[in-house]
Amino acid sequence: SQQGEEDPQALSIQEGENATMNCSYKTSINNLQWYRQNSGRGLVHLILIRSNEREKHSGRLRVTLDTSKKSSSLLITASRAADTASYFCATVRYNNNDMRFGAGTRLTVKP
Amino acid sequence: GAGVSQSPSNKVTEKGKDVELRCDPISGHTALYWYRQSLGQGLEFLIYFQGNSAPDKSGLPSDRFSAERTGGSVSTLTIQRTQQEDSAVYLCASGPGGSLYEQYFGPGTRLTVT
Repeated sequence: SQQGEEDPQALSIQEGENATMNCSYKTSINNLQWYRQNSGRGLVHLILIRSNEREKHSGRLRVTLDTSKKSSSLLITASRAADTASYFCATVRYNNNDMRFGAGTRLTVKP
Repeated sequence: GAGVSQSPSNKVTEKGKDVELRCDPISGHTALYWYRQSLGQGLEFLIYFQGNSAPDKSGLPSDRFSAERTGGSVSTLTIQRTQQEDSAVYLCASGPGGSLYEQYFGPGTRLTVT
């Protein structure tokens, strides 16, 4: 079964606006990762945040992790049309080396 | 350097036939994963190989699905007696040290069962 659940399922914004996507999970994790997928193929790793971290930045990306709420958020600032893609969170559990993905958020950035 | 490659990129097969999908991971990566993605859906974990350890097969949907990894490198996912519901994109990923690190995905194989 899927571990992470993203919301919203779909998000449409104007270029220049910020986009926030959320991910909730159910079990204790070692780390949480965000991936982007264009055109149904080729997932690209964006950022990894470990369970002892609360926030990470990478360029226009900001990821937060709240282990008490079992949730994470991905913020894309100053969005661009090229950011249009599906975004997935994936969780890695303790004592378990597999990775479980959610169903993803479909982001559309209108020029 | 070379990334993860998968072959074939597209496969159309008749219901009931067996298919083999191939994954060539990044050289030196000890972890290898297979996922399935149905149209418009997220990724469904199928199987995980880590080094010489026994694979985690907990995601395989039925006994028609099997996978092997020879010599700790190339992996083959086999689907026997294919069904229409097996139609999906099958993605392979490799990583340097298991899921404590990021994964690198191949372009996938689009399987269509007619």
